[in-house]
Amino acid sequence: NAGVTQTPKFQVLKTGQSMTLQCAQDMNHEYMSWYRQDPGMGLRLIHYSVGAGITDQGEVPNGYNVSRSTTEDFPLRLLSAAPSQTSVYFCASSVQVGSYNEQFFGPGTRLTVL
Amino acid sequence: GESVGLHLPTLSVQEGDNSIINCAYSNSASDYFIWYKQESGKGPQFIIDIRSNMDKRQGQRVTVLLNKTVKHLSLQIAATQPGDSAVYFCAEKKNSWGKLQFGAGTQVVVTP
Repeated sequence: NAGVTQTPKFQVLKTGQSMTLQCAQDMNHEYMSWYRQDPGMGLRLIHYSVGAGITDQGEVPNGYNVSRSTTEDFPLRLLSAAPSQTSVYFCASSVQVGSYNEQFFGPGTRLTVL
Repeated sequence: GESVGLHLPTLSVQEGDNSIINCAYSNSASDYFIWYKQESGKGPQFIIDIRSNMDKRQGQRVTVLLNKTVKHLSLQIAATQPGDSAVYFCAEKKNSWGKLQFGAGTQVVVTP
């Protein structure tokens, strides 16, 4: 199993540009989520999904969209990038909702918005 | 608001010594706690977890202690090695359906 994979690893955008951060998992996990990590702060939840076709907002959803058309993929879209979205983004998955299973994290995407 | 926090941002430990990383939480409703390790340039990696019906749980070279009376969580690493240098996060969950809430992290630096 490749686990949780994320692409790209690094990205530089100009203010106003849009892009999609890709996340995929091959563990047939039901639950997937996106976090952002800023210096000196813990991970903050952006959006999450409890299964294909179901998504919901986390703690900091503004400026981001998600969709979950398949169990494997959970892309994160930035509609109009802003410097405040400069961060490291992590995708995570776990076996199922309503459980105490651990979350598995991807390697992250480091995004810089100029 | 209620939050998960850490007492020390940086912990310097001599190789071979034991490390103790502390975490305070204020949400008494939380019933699940996890410690993650994050090495530079990588995603967080699960270390060990504990449910609120336990006081202590041991893994390989790691022990997590939970003191519900003072809402305190700690991670002990025995015989700290250079490979233990990383940022350590505690996280809490209110119940099995809850979302993880992370603390800010503690940087552990292992010196020879």
